[in-house]
Amino acid sequence: GENVEQHPSTLSVQEGDSAVIKCTYSDSASNYFPWYKQELGKGPQLIIDIRSNVGEKKDQRIAVTLNKTAKHFSLHITETQPEDSAVYFCAAGEGTARQLTFGSGTQLTVLP
Amino acid sequence: GAGVSQSPRYKVAKRGQDVALRCDPISGHVSLFWYQQALGQGPEFLTYFQNEAQLDKSGLPSDRFFAERPEGSVSTLKIQRTQQEDSAVYLCASSSYRGANEKLFFGSGTQLSVL
Repeated sequence: GENVEQHPSTLSVQEGDSAVIKCTYSDSASNYFPWYKQELGKGPQLIIDIRSNVGEKKDQRIAVTLNKTAKHFSLHITETQPEDSAVYFCAAGEGTARQLTFGSGTQLTVLP
Repeated sequence: GAGVSQSPRYKVAKRGQDVALRCDPISGHVSLFWYQQALGQGPEFLTYFQNEAQLDKSGLPSDRFFAERPEGSVSTLKIQRTQQEDSAVYLCASSSYRGANEKLFFGSGTQLSVL
């Protein structure tokens, strides 16, 4: 089955700096790669996703890049703000939002 | 409704008790998923429904876990004879099954504590 590894497990940045979280996956059949933000006591919230037919996608301060050859994808957050502090999960799956395999999460702390 | 709704929000059970967790998906969403999230970990897949059909239950950890969605809308996850290792947050998610634009939306989860 699919195996997703996520790094780093914790990340602290100063407000205004950029944050990068990286994930690798094992199953070459995976073609859907969402990123979720989870705040304490809440469920994961979809923040951006990418499908294998594109290499990069951007939504305001958030961008995701995908390298299918190397089987890795990354989340980039620019101009970080304290409200970006949360746990971020990457995930990979085959097809459209079928069974997803999640990474172990990154605790992002944005220091004011 | 506006989002995926789960109840109860918290559940405390004594070891050996049966529990039932409810999920109300987003109206009109065909696909429904249950995930289990242990403390400090990412969600792990339990089971998947398309309408009322349970198409994949490969993630259910034991035969004590049972899920149903009899009318293709509300779903219930039942855990029989709960054990301490069942303590986790149980997340429900739904999606519209509309091909390339399909996205998965999660509820806030039920936090189950087995004493």
